[in-house]
Amino acid sequence: DSGVTQTPKHLITATGQRVTLRCSPRSGDLSVYWYQQSLDQGLQFLIQYYNGEERAKGNILERFSAQQFPDLHSELNLSSLELGDSALYFCASSVVGSSGNTIYFGEGSWLTVV
Amino acid sequence: AQTVTQSQPEMSVQEAETVTLSCTYDTSESDYYLFWYKQPPSRQMILVIRQEAYKQQNATENRFSVNFQKAAKSFSLKISDSQLGDAAMYFCAYRSSGGGADGLTFGKGTHLIIQP
Repeated sequence: DSGVTQTPKHLITATGQRVTLRCSPRSGDLSVYWYQQSLDQGLQFLIQYYNGEERAKGNILERFSAQQFPDLHSELNLSSLELGDSALYFCASSVVGSSGNTIYFGEGSWLTVV
Repeated sequence: AQTVTQSQPEMSVQEAETVTLSCTYDTSESDYYLFWYKQPPSRQMILVIRQEAYKQQNATENRFSVNFQKAAKSFSLKISDSQLGDAAMYFCAYRSSGGGADGLTFGKGTHLIIQP
């Protein structure tokens, strides 16, 4: 158990809908990261937050947004969903923003868009 | 941008044998971090080992060790005494040392099969 908690574990929704994925980082971790794992794109970094502020952006679509709240939990919002958004979405966390600190992953949220 | 290449989509090894998974990367930076993550069928991403580029000594974690060749930009993972529980996808990952404002760049993974 990494200590990173993601909900829901599985989600099935229709095209055009909007979903929110939730993440609680490990106790004491200030940085939260979101990753997408799909069959065709592999593991892709989406976005990073550090202590409530956006720190880095990766290959995140404009239809997607995220935020980190004062209690450090984070949410990833996916809107106008398309079939191609079906993927495993990981949240990860680390102690501080420094690169050397290990990034710990949650178990992921499986999103299926039908 | 950095890239990570894992040239072996799949590897197979007999239980108790040793196997080496390859990883190469491309970067213009001199300071960075390298990681191997394991993803078993449960899909959890589990850190196996990490290496700081400024350290010449290769990292070791029990049966797992790396061969880090900075000049060749190579970072292979050696698994000794392979066990059935080692069967998983293994991902090599790169992280810049640029203040932490970035994420991990992953390779496409190597599927490791352990033959009993």
